[in-house]
Amino acid sequence: QVQLVESGGGVVQPGGSLRLSCAASGFTFSKNDMHWIRQAPGKGLEWVAIISYGGANRYFADSVRGRFTISRDNSESTLFLQMNSLRPEDTAVYYCATYSSGSSSFTMDVWGQGTTVTVSS
Amino acid sequence: QSALTQPASVSGSPGQSITISCTGTGSDVGGFNFVSWFQQHPGKVPKLMIFDVSHRPSGVSIRFSGSKSGNTASLTISGLQAEDEADYYCISFTSSATWVFGGGTKLTVL
Repeated sequence: QVQLVESGGGVVQPGGSLRLSCAASGFTFSKNDMHWIRQAPGKGLEWVAIISYGGANRYFADSVRGRFTISRDNSESTLFLQMNSLRPEDTAVYYCATYSSGSSSFTMDVWGQGTTVTVSS
Repeated sequence: QSALTQPASVSGSPGQSITISCTGTGSDVGGFNFVSWFQQHPGKVPKLMIFDVSHRPSGVSIRFSGSKSGNTASLTISGLQAEDEADYYCISFTSSATWVFGGGTKLTVL
């Protein structure tokens, strides 16, 4: 079945870096745009970034642009989020998400379980 | 990239209908038919309820419907049930090729 599994979360000091991974299975990863979405504790959802299916196009939320990088390895069906210059306000559960054949390419109906990032000294 | 505007909370009694609004601008909600709605229960992963303004994924109850007028999209839930109590979020594609969520709406079933 279609599955996304995030990993790489943890506790990091302000100014530090972390790399999140999202392993995909059950669908042709190389054909799907992929998103990162986060949710701070007790807060709403925030869209973070998107990478096109081939990796040529990447877009970011204003809040992370210049600090975060999104990439993918289609040969390994894995999505990445490199987070640098981390701030306490980056503390959140980070989800990777994409779409399935049952929806459209302009939505996200497949989500991982999330990985928790805590930025604290 | 300002968040879309949703009411912080709405409530209704079982069997009633409620509508949650999601207001943006001509650069997001009003400019594209790419608005989705998610339901999130506490501690759970968001679930897609509506995509492309008014399309319902397979398995989602027909009690959920979506629409759009100008810069405002709406999610309507008819025949409210206790299990509908959750947080609801809208999201829209934008003219910058980015995406923006609404602030979320807490639905209480009285």
